[in-house]
Amino acid sequence: AQSVTQLGSHVSVSEGALVLLRCNYSSSVPPYLFWYVQYPNQGLQLLLKYTTGATLVKGINGFEAEFKKSETSFHLTKPSAHMSDAAEYFCAVSEGGYQKVTFGTGTKLQVIP
Amino acid sequence: EAGVAQSPRYKIIEKRQSVAFWCNPISGHATLYWYQQILGQGPKLLIQFQNNGVVDDSQLPKDRFSAERLKGVDSTLKIQPAKLEDSAVYLCASSLTSGGSLTDTQYFGPGTRLTVL
Repeated sequence: AQSVTQLGSHVSVSEGALVLLRCNYSSSVPPYLFWYVQYPNQGLQLLLKYTTGATLVKGINGFEAEFKKSETSFHLTKPSAHMSDAAEYFCAVSEGGYQKVTFGTGTKLQVIP
Repeated sequence: EAGVAQSPRYKIIEKRQSVAFWCNPISGHATLYWYQQILGQGPKLLIQFQNNGVVDDSQLPKDRFSAERLKGVDSTLKIQPAKLEDSAVYLCASSLTSGGSLTDTQYFGPGTRLTVL
């Protein structure tokens, strides 16, 4: 069965600092991987997704993630944090069928001015 | 393009009462999903529709939860009777294809926050 582990339920960074949110997955087949962002009282918005091909995926708002099969990881990064990046971030995996997606437990990002 | 609409945004009920949530997906989207997001957890898929047929309802507590998608457009999710542990945000999402493409993007509504007292 597919699963996702997000390391760190809360991450704090200073404005302008590197953002690194960690995600490790488990899948019995080549996975499709996603990062979503959720702002307070809003639904989830897709940041980026990996399906096949290039392992470095660029998303919206300056975020990117790298698929590393050997490490079963899909960490999310952004070179310079902005106050507007404060939100909860969810990593997710899908491995087959009609897009059944399994979400991680989320990481809340706090950006300190 | 209008997004996924959900109503109500908030609902407070007593345990053992009934409640219904409504979702209107993005126009033309064939696939509709209902997720349950308990505080501190990621969303969990309850049910997935392809047009008006059920594709996956393996995690839907069928003794108390029901969902329908009439005419393959909007959908309702009902809980009867509600329990304390049903307190959560209920998210609706939709995606375009009807072929089960794994690259298709799910678009989420704002959710309905349910509190069961």
